[in-house]
Amino acid sequence: NAGVTQTPKFRILKIGQSMTLQCAQDMNHNYMYWYRQDPGMGLKLIYYSVGAGITDKGEVPNGYNVSRSTTEDFPLRLELAAPSQTSVYFCASSYGTGGYTEAFFGQGTRLTVV
Amino acid sequence: DAKTTQPNSMESNEEEPVHLPCNHSTISGTDYIHWYRQLPSQGPEYVIHGLTSNVNNRMASLAIAEDRKSSTLILHRATLRDAAVYYCIREIPEAGTALIFGKGTTLSVSS
Repeated sequence: NAGVTQTPKFRILKIGQSMTLQCAQDMNHNYMYWYRQDPGMGLKLIYYSVGAGITDKGEVPNGYNVSRSTTEDFPLRLELAAPSQTSVYFCASSYGTGGYTEAFFGQGTRLTVV
Repeated sequence: DAKTTQPNSMESNEEEPVHLPCNHSTISGTDYIHWYRQLPSQGPEYVIHGLTSNVNNRMASLAIAEDRKSSTLILHRATLRDAAVYYCIREIPEAGTALIFGKGTTLSVSS
């Protein structure tokens, strides 16, 4: 099992450019999440999904979009990159809710917007 | 407030037990308490979770107060590899299944 795979690992964007951060999991988890982590801070939830075709906003959704067309994939889209979006982005997945929410995280994508 | 309260940092010596406290005074009766840790330059990893009673696994123990307003993560013998940021997290029902992270406790381990 690869677990949760994020690509790319590093990326530099210019202001106003767009990109998609890819996330794939091979554990057949229904629940997937996107977080961002600014230097010295904890993780902030951007978007989450409870299954294919269903997504919802988290704590900091502005400037981002997501889609969930399959169980395996949960891409995060940045439409107009801004310096405030410089951060490390983590994707995670979990099997269920309540006591079953052990989440598995990817290794992160380090994004710099200049 | 849906957040938890943890000390910013703690220090330990190798081979000694470590007790990491967490306050969650507004927790409801059905919210699980989760602990994750984040090693440098890595994504968070699951440590342990519980609801009411104390829990043990190969990594750690979780002691939950009888009133559930606080909990303590116990590392029985700290190693250098345990140096990380430890997050105490409540499930937040209004955010679906997602875990909401605070700033966590930075644990330093000295040899």
